Amino acid sequence: DQQVKQNSPSLSVQEGRISILNCDYTNSMFDYFLWYKKYPAEGPTFLISISSIKDKNEDGRFTVFLNKSAKHLSLHIVPSQPGDSAVYFCAASAYGGSEKLVFGKGTKLTVNP
Amino acid sequence: DAGVIQSPRHEVTEMGQEVTLRCKPISGHNSLFWYRQTMMRGLELLIYFNNNVPIDDSGMPEDRFSAKMPNASFSTLKIQPSEPRDSAVYFCASSRDRAASYEQYFGPGTRLTVT
Repeated sequence: DQQVKQNSPSLSVQEGRISILNCDYTNSMFDYFLWYKKYPAEGPTFLISISSIKDKNEDGRFTVFLNKSAKHLSLHIVPSQPGDSAVYFCAASAYGGSEKLVFGKGTKLTVNP
Repeated sequence: DAGVIQSPRHEVTEMGQEVTLRCKPISGHNSLFWYRQTMMRGLELLIYFNNNVPIDDSGMPEDRFSAKMPNASFSTLKIQPSEPRDSAVYFCASSRDRAASYEQYFGPGTRLTVT
């Protein structure tokens, strides 16, 4: 039973445009969310996080939005660059982030020059 | 920093053989995590240690899987006997604390193929 769902296995966008990656969760106890980025033949690396006390967190070109009522979060990348091409994993944790991470299956983003 | 080190990077073995994956966490990190990535299930946590003690092994799929952390700088994940369905990429990660709010640093992974 997938508690964290990334329903789009892949996404393709043009360089300079916005990339929007979506993530849904089912466990209402989740209150800390993260995005990890993974290049081929490398391990995932942390990108950005958000606590449930916020609905938005921004770091440069990356912004994560959280809609608690819909149990939905999204990662916006603006503007998208070819170097952003990677697999993006959404992850969630409960109890203020004190519990283990539960990951989604990932979305492969391709940014075309 | 050298980062999290995993060995081997690739392992090909026959069904029924024992497989041992190795991990060296980042010095000073007291939490270590073993993950498995497959197309079907994505990235799933198998087991994690805090201060060398196993905290949660509920993700270990079967008794064929075992993990140890004899000291703060070394951990192993063993599969005995291995089966084709164990084929996956296995990642080791470490962090300063087990809480998710502390960034986990992942190794490059071990790609395991069981024929």
